Amino acid sequence: GAVVSQHPSRVICKSGTSVKIECRSLDFQATTMFWYRQFPKKSLMLMATSNEGSKATYEQGVEKDKFLINHASLTLSTLTVTSAHPEDSSFYICSAYTQSSPLHFGNGTRLTVT
Amino acid sequence: SQKIEQNSEALNIQEGKTATLTCNYTNYSPAYLQWYRQDPGRGPVFLLLIRENEKEKRKERLKVTFDTTLKQSLFHITASQPADSATYLCALGGFGGSQGNLIFGKGTKLSVKP
Repeated sequence: GAVVSQHPSRVICKSGTSVKIECRSLDFQATTMFWYRQFPKKSLMLMATSNEGSKATYEQGVEKDKFLINHASLTLSTLTVTSAHPEDSSFYICSAYTQSSPLHFGNGTRLTVT
Repeated sequence: SQKIEQNSEALNIQEGKTATLTCNYTNYSPAYLQWYRQDPGRGPVFLLLIRENEKEKRKERLKVTFDTTLKQSLFHITASQPADSATYLCALGGFGGSQGNLIFGKGTKLSVKP
């Protein structure tokens, strides 16, 4: 079945630094990838839609300069949390879409900003 | 206001029994509804999709119903096993826009005791 790999699974960084999270579709080409954020005991919230070769579409309330998304190829999208603050600590999950198939999710990245 | 609610935060049942999880929504008109399983520290895994014109869907020990009049979906796991213990998320979709634009519930944590 379709596999989406997300890396790293955990990252701890200092306040003010930037962190990059990678999302790869391993055995299929994903024209569209999605980035979500999940707080404990809360719903998954869609942050942005990432289309290969074009600018990402951000959901209302998500700062595009804070959360930089690049979708340079059909198998790779990256999310960079810039100038991270403790309130950015969260579980970030990506998913990828291929035609006629449900979403395939990565295993998430636990970001802790100290 | 728009809401999606999963009946309880946690559900404990005995092995062999049928687990029934509920997903209710208000002020949405989804074209389909999906159920996902999420294990701790992992991304969601797709289980079933049911469309608005379908009443029931089955897959092995899983059964999903969708009542658009009641605005409710029921998710059943028959002959439950300890390995079924996880958090189950319902998600509404088909609002147009990106396929990843799903509205997720907060999830129900199911624990199946041997």
